[in-house]
Amino acid sequence: KAGVTQTPRYLIKTRGQQVTLSCSPISGHRSVSWYQQTPGQGLQFLFEYFSETQRNKGNFPGRFSGRQFSNSRSEMNVSTLELGDSALYLCASSPQTSSYEQYFGPGTRLTVT
Amino acid sequence: AQSVSQHNHHVILSEAASLELGCNYSYGGTVNLFWYVQYPGQHLQLLLKYFSGDPLVKGIKGFEAEFIKSKFSFNLRKPSVQWSDTAEYFCAVRFTGGGNKLTFGTGTQLKVEL
Repeated sequence: KAGVTQTPRYLIKTRGQQVTLSCSPISGHRSVSWYQQTPGQGLQFLFEYFSETQRNKGNFPGRFSGRQFSNSRSEMNVSTLELGDSALYLCASSPQTSSYEQYFGPGTRLTVT
Repeated sequence: AQSVSQHNHHVILSEAASLELGCNYSYGGTVNLFWYVQYPGQHLQLLLKYFSGDPLVKGIKGFEAEFIKSKFSFNLRKPSVQWSDTAEYFCAVRFTGGGNKLTFGTGTQLKVEL
């Protein structure tokens, strides 16, 4: 099976812009979670989607949003970008919403200038 | 708040030395426990997991971990490290009722010297 794929892999944006990141889970996986990884804060949970519904949300401002499509692919959007949003954004997929391990994608490296 | 702590931020070992990385979590309820590894330039990979049963779990590449419920700990061990084990290691916990949300420790950067 193909792994979790994320596009784009690298992105440079300017402060104030918005950005959309995409994640395609492993075939058959219905749960997609997003994480932000930074040197200072480590890995932090953003949100989880299961069957097109947001199931969990982390402690991030409303500028961070996401959605999941019927084919389980997911997108996350960050509006009004700030310099502190520069990070590696990781997507993870799992067959169900609990009791299974998660498989991580390679991430999207977002740089905000 | 639910939290995960890793005591060692940077560890340097010589090849063939034994490794033990500590991981503790807050909360006294049911948890699922994971160790992930991130090799330089690669994505997070699962080393091992604990859901229930035997508290001593074995993972890939000779790694093992022991869940000690009374100490809220899930320490990672390897009897003899190799240069190729140089990587960052993350302990992660899924707390009851959190869906698939993982709470990660801050990570331990392991460097193995020849």
